[in-house]
Parts: sequence; C-alpha cells; structure tokens
Amino acid sequence: SQQGEEDPQALSIQEGENATMNCSYKTSINNLQWYRQNSGRGLVHLILIRSNEREKHSGRLRVTLDTSKKSSSLLITASRAADTASYFCATDPAGGTSYGKLTFGQGTILTVHP
Amino acid sequence: EPEVTQTPSHQVTQMGQEVILRCVPISNHLYFYWYRQILGQKVEFLVSFYNNEISEKSEIFDDQFSVERPDGSNFTLKIRSTKLEDSAMYFCASRWSGSSETQYFGPGTRLLVL
Repeated sequence: SQQGEEDPQALSIQEGENATMNCSYKTSINNLQWYRQNSGRGLVHLILIRSNEREKHSGRLRVTLDTSKKSSSLLITASRAADTASYFCATDPAGGTSYGKLTFGQGTILTVHP
Repeated sequence: EPEVTQTPSHQVTQMGQEVILRCVPISNHLYFYWYRQILGQKVEFLVSFYNNEISEKSEIFDDQFSVERPDGSNFTLKIRSTKLEDSAMYFCASRWSGSSETQYFGPGTRLLVL
C-alpha cells in the first residue's frame, strides 16, 4: 500500500454510533496528522500525534499510533450527522531534509445518518 | 482564531493562460506550502517554502510552476501556461516552526482549465 492509506474507503453509520478509521504508512515519521474535509471544501486540522506518542484525545476524537505496525486509527465517539465528511491521515516524514512535506492518504468517506 | 486565506475561491481559465493563486498565511508562521487535489483523488504536495526560498518540491512542480512571497504577508503560486490537467483544488498551508508541526490549510482555490 502507499504511504498514508486509510481504510475503510467508505463508512456509513447511524448517529450515536462510534466511527473508526485506520491509516497505514510505510516510512518513518515525525508525526501523523488527521484532517477532515467537507465535500469540496478546505482541510480542517483535527489532531496531531507525534512518533513518540501512542494515544491522544481531543473532545470526541481519539487517535492511536503504533509505529511498530506503521499504523494509526481515528475514533470518533457518539457520532453526529455533522461529522459526515472525508477524513484523511497525513504523515510528516522523519529525516533531516524534510521541511514538513505531508503525504496524504486517499481518505475515508464517513456518512452519519440521523 | 487566525486562519489561512486564499483568493480567488474559484478561477476559470483557458488552456495556455497564466494564473496566479494567492494565499495569506497565518502571520507568525515561517513555513509555507502548496498542495493540490484533483477531483476524487488524494491531496498531493507541490512545494514548500522557507526563508524566502523553495525548500522542497515534488515532481509535479515543474518549470511551469513558481512560488513567490512578494511581501511580508502574501504567498503566491503561479502557473505560467495552464494545461487541462492542472484543473484541481489548490490548497495553501502554513506552519509556525519549532515544536508546533501542525499545518493549517486555507479553504482552497478551485481552478478549472478549459
């Protein structure tokens, strides 16, 4: 798989349920960031997790990072219809020559039905 | 809350014409980026800019592309002779530096080349 690949590609749930999205990557990273994009709109930063961190929380969001498996997951708890959007992981590669170039995955399209 | 702004929001141009996309990064940020997203595809890195020079660029960023920071606030992307395949959403992003690695994205400019 390519750097920053999410699965599933699409997820459809009912309001109130939890949504889990996964991201895998190939190279060593400094950090991994999750973004949200409403249809045709800009990218909204959700959360950043550094390579030496294993778990972070922000409101209803929980992100985990397993550097040994080169994978991350984003959990949205108690989902709302307003959470309907595409979610992307983006990796910031490790290495002295990187100036923060992010590599994005294909994204997970989340649909939350009211 | 400070945000990255981009103008115009939409631009339609004829093939072969020059376009300039404008961005105003967050004021105390030092690293600037352009990304693009072709419809239905992943977000792709184009170029990073730091200390008034390009720090990294992708294979996409060929001689038709250039970036400039003409003053203390604007950051521009110029496409000299647009091609049909340049049609995409172009995102500007900025980052402070040091321990804050979060990249903040603008709302994007949707470019359509006819």
